[in-house]
Amino acid sequence: AQTVTQSQPEMSVQEAETVTLSCTYDTSENNYYLFWYKQPPSRQMILVIRQEAYKQQNATENRFSVNFQKAAKSFSLKISDSQLGDTAMYFCAWTYGNKLVFGAGTILRVKS
Amino acid sequence: DAMVIQNPRYQVTQFGKPVTLSCSQTLNHNVMYWYQQKSSQAPKLLFHYYDKDFNNEADTPDNFQSRRPNTSFCFLDIRSPGLGDAAMYLCATSRGDRAGYTFGSGTRLTVV
Repeated sequence: AQTVTQSQPEMSVQEAETVTLSCTYDTSENNYYLFWYKQPPSRQMILVIRQEAYKQQNATENRFSVNFQKAAKSFSLKISDSQLGDTAMYFCAWTYGNKLVFGAGTILRVKS
Repeated sequence: DAMVIQNPRYQVTQFGKPVTLSCSQTLNHNVMYWYQQKSSQAPKLLFHYYDKDFNNEADTPDNFQSRRPNTSFCFLDIRSPGLGDAAMYLCATSRGDRAGYTFGSGTRLTVV
């Protein structure tokens, strides 16, 4: 089965601290893309970071970075220096054919 | 700015009364997707168009239909909305290369 699993329904972090969100996936494909999307209460789905499966180097975007372990089929998101504006639902997703398949999401709350 | 626009932002419809949701894009992307997202859940793909080629998900109810009259526009028709169809409906586009997806702001559908 082609699935995405996010095992943490909710997480909290203090402002300025670091937090890591977990994601595992199951696929028989060798070439695919992985994504983390952020959905704040306004509901706009916003791309946080993208990883190409054939690239070994972990993607980084400012305070956001991933730990991509292809053999383990793991794709975690690290948020450094957490800010109040990072409070949102975070979805891990990957491409299956032309489709984008989402995990169940992790609610992240950043506390002041 | 190139973007994906969904209208209306909020839609209230009566139980059983047909309703149409609209999505337009200025990105000239080949693929357009419709997702249904219920509260605190992951978006669920309903169907997508690759150019004029329609691709329905196996578990999408027959009550849901879609039209894509041209590259820029895609419509979601719900023939007889039930209370269980109340949700956020998200439109997304991609070039078809699996490298990126752009989402609209969504239409929140209420069925009364």
